[in-house]
Amino acid sequence: SQTIHQWPATLVQPVGSPLSLECTVEGTSNPNLYWYRQAAGRGLQLLFYSVGIGQISSEVPQNLSASRPQDRQFILSSKKLLLSDSGFYLCAWSVRLHGYTFGSGTRLTVV
Amino acid sequence: EDQVTQSPEALRLQEGESSSLNCSYTVSGLRGLFWYRQDPGKGPEFLFTLYSAGEEKEKERLKATLTKKESFLHITAPKPEDSATYLCAVQNTGNQFYFGTGTSLTVIP
Repeated sequence: SQTIHQWPATLVQPVGSPLSLECTVEGTSNPNLYWYRQAAGRGLQLLFYSVGIGQISSEVPQNLSASRPQDRQFILSSKKLLLSDSGFYLCAWSVRLHGYTFGSGTRLTVV
Repeated sequence: EDQVTQSPEALRLQEGESSSLNCSYTVSGLRGLFWYRQDPGKGPEFLFTLYSAGEEKEKERLKATLTKKESFLHITAPKPEDSATYLCAVQNTGNQFYFGTGTSLTVIP
């Protein structure tokens, strides 16, 4: 079966510290992968997407970066976190008939 | 510009009180409209995909309908476990997705 794993579930990080969120998918090959951020009352904001290994497209200029070192692995990173990076981060892969399958999300709080 | 607007932002219902959630959209070319359910602190879960005006999909107490300008998610005789945020999204023919901000539904026992 096809599944998507995202971790950690919650994270509290100080301002200026680095970030690494990881997402892996199982049961599919060469998926299109996405990182979204969800803010209260503002809906889902697309941050990055990837159609293959090493291929990253950025939708919004920001303090974050993404990498896809393996076919089924997608990583969201930052060298120095800002307070404004706080939010709920979702990894997803596009599924032809379902739009997206989402991971369980990571609640990031920058303090 | 393609966009999605959901209303109301929040809805409180008594158990058994049927109602509808609205998703209005403007899109250059519709490839699909999607409904998701999101529980607090979790990722959205897929509910339905609608492709063309007049289409309807049902699942338990939920029924989704689609016109050329909007979609409705009808909830019949809701139960407290139906409490969640319901998200609507459209995919255009350029494969871009646009999400609404959701309707937070609370069903009171």
